[in-house]
Amino acid sequence: GQSLEQPSEVTAVEGAIVQINCTYQTSGFYGLSWYQQHDGGAPTFLSYNGLDGLEETGRFSSFLSRSDSYGYLLLQELQMKDSASYFCAVRGGQAGTALIFGKGTTLSVSS
Amino acid sequence: NAGVTQTPKFQVLKTGQSMTLQCAQDMNHEYMSWYRQDPGMGLRLIHYSVGAGITDQGEVPNGYNVSRSTTEDFPLRLLSAAPSQTSVYFCASSLTGSPTGELFFGEGSRLTVL
Repeated sequence: GQSLEQPSEVTAVEGAIVQINCTYQTSGFYGLSWYQQHDGGAPTFLSYNGLDGLEETGRFSSFLSRSDSYGYLLLQELQMKDSASYFCAVRGGQAGTALIFGKGTTLSVSS
Repeated sequence: NAGVTQTPKFQVLKTGQSMTLQCAQDMNHEYMSWYRQDPGMGLRLIHYSVGAGITDQGEVPNGYNVSRSTTEDFPLRLLSAAPSQTSVYFCASSLTGSPTGELFFGEGSRLTVL
């Protein structure tokens, strides 16, 4: 099966940098994904790491270390609108077709 | 382009009633899935399908049935609702073979079972 661990809450101020960590256990690895969900909304895709290293998309970056079963999401130049829940996810199920999510990290950004 | 459409958005049921949550996508995605979201529990996979005629169980399948007769539709059935099934349900789809496996979510269906 699959299991993912991430912190339940993180707080930061506008303009700061925050890192949300994710450790995972999975029988077969097909990549680590990150999703964002604002209160009352649907999750939306942020990033994907299939190989070790850093992927950058604007203010957001995601990192993966397959040997450590570890990844993180880095959010820079935080804005109030970044207040949301962030989920890491790995593929599981038959041939890694299904996406299994962690419990999520709630990020609160204050002014 | 509508994306993933879920109906109804809100529903109140009494214990023991049955109902179907509808999910339709117009992106020709082979993969479709259902999640439930409860406070502090993240998104838990109920059932998924890799194509028409193929379904499989996820992490929390008990109490739910699914079928996939067409590529576009993936309904979720509650045969005898229980208060423990009070939750927000999300349907999601993706293109098989996508390098990122990006999931596209519907807006959610909020179900209350009394």
